[in-house]
Amino acid sequence: GEQVEQLPSSLIVQEGASVLINCSYTDSASVYFPWYKQEPGKRLQFIIDIRSNMERKQNQRLTLLFDKKTKHLSLHITATQPGDSAIYFCSASGDSGYNKLTFGKGTVLLVSP
Amino acid sequence: GPKVLQIPSHQIIDMGQMVTLNCDPVSNHLYFYWYKQILGQQMEFLVNFYNGKVMEKSKLFKDQFSVERPDGSYFTLKIQPTALEDSAVYFCASSLDQGAVAETLYFGSGTRLTVL
Repeated sequence: GEQVEQLPSSLIVQEGASVLINCSYTDSASVYFPWYKQEPGKRLQFIIDIRSNMERKQNQRLTLLFDKKTKHLSLHITATQPGDSAIYFCSASGDSGYNKLTFGKGTVLLVSP
Repeated sequence: GPKVLQIPSHQIIDMGQMVTLNCDPVSNHLYFYWYKQILGQQMEFLVNFYNGKVMEKSKLFKDQFSVERPDGSYFTLKIQPTALEDSAVYFCASSLDQGAVAETLYFGSGTRLTVL
């Protein structure tokens, strides 16, 4: 079945820095890639997604790049703030229509003031 | 934004007992999901549910597991009997539309189940 890997597993940056979180998947049938964020003690929160017919999507300080050929995604966060500190999860879903997401293990981001 | 509520947040039970995890999905959502996360591992899909039926389940969804949503009330995950390996955080999620592949899932905060 599908496998999703994320790197790095953790990141510590100073406020204002940019960060890059990488994600790779194995199943070429995956077509939808939502990303979630989980702040300490809170629920998973959807932040951005991309479909396999797109190469790039931006939402304010978040930019998501997708390379179908290499089965690779990267989430770029600019001008980080302490409030961005959270675990970021990449996920992948096939075309089954039922939102069966395969998640990565997450990237812990800590932004220090 | 829309919120999915899970009750209880923690549950401790003895192995072999039955447990029911409750989920109050977003009110107008039609699709419901359970995911399981063992400590230190990634969250894994268990099952999805629509119109009173299980649509798809993973190999983690053992015969001891069942789901239902009687009369539009809580969406529940029942484990009977429980085993030690069922200890995990269980996340409920819901989505609005017809399970279209690009539907956003809204997650609850999870129920931490500890089986002794």
